[in-house]
Amino acid sequence: DIQMTQSPASLSASPEEIVTITCQASQDIGNWLAWYQQKPGKSPQLLIYSATSLADGIPSRFSGSRSGTQYSLKISRLQVEDTGIYYCLQRYSNPWTFGGGTKLELK
Amino acid sequence: QVQLKETGPGLVQPTQTLSITCTVSGFSLTSYYMQWVRQTPGKGLEWMGFIRSGGSTEYNSEFKSRLSISRDTSKNQVFLKMNSLKTEDTGVYYCARDRPIYYYDGYYHVGYVMDAWGQGASVTVSS
Repeated sequence: DIQMTQSPASLSASPEEIVTITCQASQDIGNWLAWYQQKPGKSPQLLIYSATSLADGIPSRFSGSRSGTQYSLKISRLQVEDTGIYYCLQRYSNPWTFGGGTKLELK
Repeated sequence: QVQLKETGPGLVQPTQTLSITCTVSGFSLTSYYMQWVRQTPGKGLEWMGFIRSGGSTEYNSEFKSRLSISRDTSKNQVFLKMNSLKTEDTGVYYCARDRPIYYYDGYYHVGYVMDAWGQGASVTVSS
C-alpha cells in the first residue's frame, strides 16, 4: 500500500499568514492527489484535485503544488473560517490512502 | 442540487452485520462511481470500496472478506453491508460521489475525485 505521510500534525497561525501543509508519498503517484478540509462534525470537502486544480467554489487563496513525490497545500492570507483538519488522499492505486491529517487552528 | 444522505442503525452488536443506505439526488448512479469511506478513532479516514456506474465493485483488501457494496438505481440508493463487526469498526461511515477528471501531460489520463460527500452515518459497535 502507498503510505501518505502528512506534516505537520498540527499548526497554529494568525489571520493573513501563509501556511503550508505537506504530504509525502511513499512512491510515485503522479498527479493523483487531492486535498480535503474537514470541519468538526462535518464531512470532508474537496479543495484541490489532480495535485494542483482548484475545486469549484473554493477560494483562490488555496493552492496545491507538487515536487516529485512531495505534495503541498498552501493557504495564502489565512482566514478564520480556514480552521479545521486537512487531509491528502492519493488516488493512484488501490487501496486509496489518506494522510494522517493536519489540524489547523488560528491564533 | 447534488445531495447524499447516509442512514444506518446507530448501534450494532459485535459479530453482527452493519447495513447502511446512501440515498442520492441530483445525479444518476448510472453516470457516477460511488465510494464508501469511513473515519474511525483508531485509523482515521479509510477508503473501503466503490461501485462503478456500470455496477461492478472494487474493495480495499482490508475489508474485502466482509464487505459488500450494491445499489438500486431505481431508488437512487447505494448499500454498504459489512459483517463480523468488531468494536474497532466504530466510527462514521460516508458515501461519496466520484467524478471523472481528465489530465493532459502530452498523454490523456482519466482519474476520479470524490467531489461530494454525505453527512455520514455514525456507527457504534458495542454490546
